[in-house]
Amino acid sequence: RKEVEQDPGPFNVPEGATVAFNCTYSNSASQSFFWYRQDCRKEPKLLMSVYSSGNEDGRFTAQLNRASQYISLLIRDSKLSDSATYLCVVNFLLNTGGFKTIFGAGTRLFVKA
Amino acid sequence: DGGITQSPKYLFRKEGQNVTLSCEQNLNHDAMYWYRQDPGQGLRLIYYSQIVNDFQKGDIAEGYSVSREKKESFPLTVTSAQKNPTAFYLCASRREGRRTGELFFGEGSRLTVL
Repeated sequence: RKEVEQDPGPFNVPEGATVAFNCTYSNSASQSFFWYRQDCRKEPKLLMSVYSSGNEDGRFTAQLNRASQYISLLIRDSKLSDSATYLCVVNFLLNTGGFKTIFGAGTRLFVKA
Repeated sequence: DGGITQSPKYLFRKEGQNVTLSCEQNLNHDAMYWYRQDPGQGLRLIYYSQIVNDFQKGDIAEGYSVSREKKESFPLTVTSAQKNPTAFYLCASRREGRRTGELFFGEGSRLTVL
């Protein structure tokens, strides 16, 4: 089983739609969680951190369920510019005090006019 | 502006040649990382370094080497022993000790072996 699993998609949605991505992780010692966005042939960029209480940034809402080891990202009112690959990222603390970061394979989103 | 600079952006190599990818950061970050990304796959860790003069193998270190002589610099050498080197290589850094552990990425180097 992969340490971080995501539905690869692709998700094809019309403009204005609401779309949700899910991610599960296997290491219960995981400490911090993120969603990154990666455009085609570009580097990943941080979209948002994910907190236990859930957090929102404009049209984007992230949720974390530690008991189920599950993270989600909800995008409301999708725009054409939201088309990208969304990476679920999990950090867990090493004995050395640093972090090990595990990336999901990403979920591709296509938003169409 | 602080950031991470990778060079070259595109590189073509003949089989059997070593090639070195540069990564420089002026973010004063302690930890630096090299990842490899293949189409349709997640990022896989090649090597990482948490302090100067120390580095550790990641999940796919075979055929690669690194050095960390300065805090700002973490070059990656793709050797001829790497059997399938064509890929997108990403360098990242992080200020260890921060609770959030966010990674910052360079723009990547795309290596093609002819």
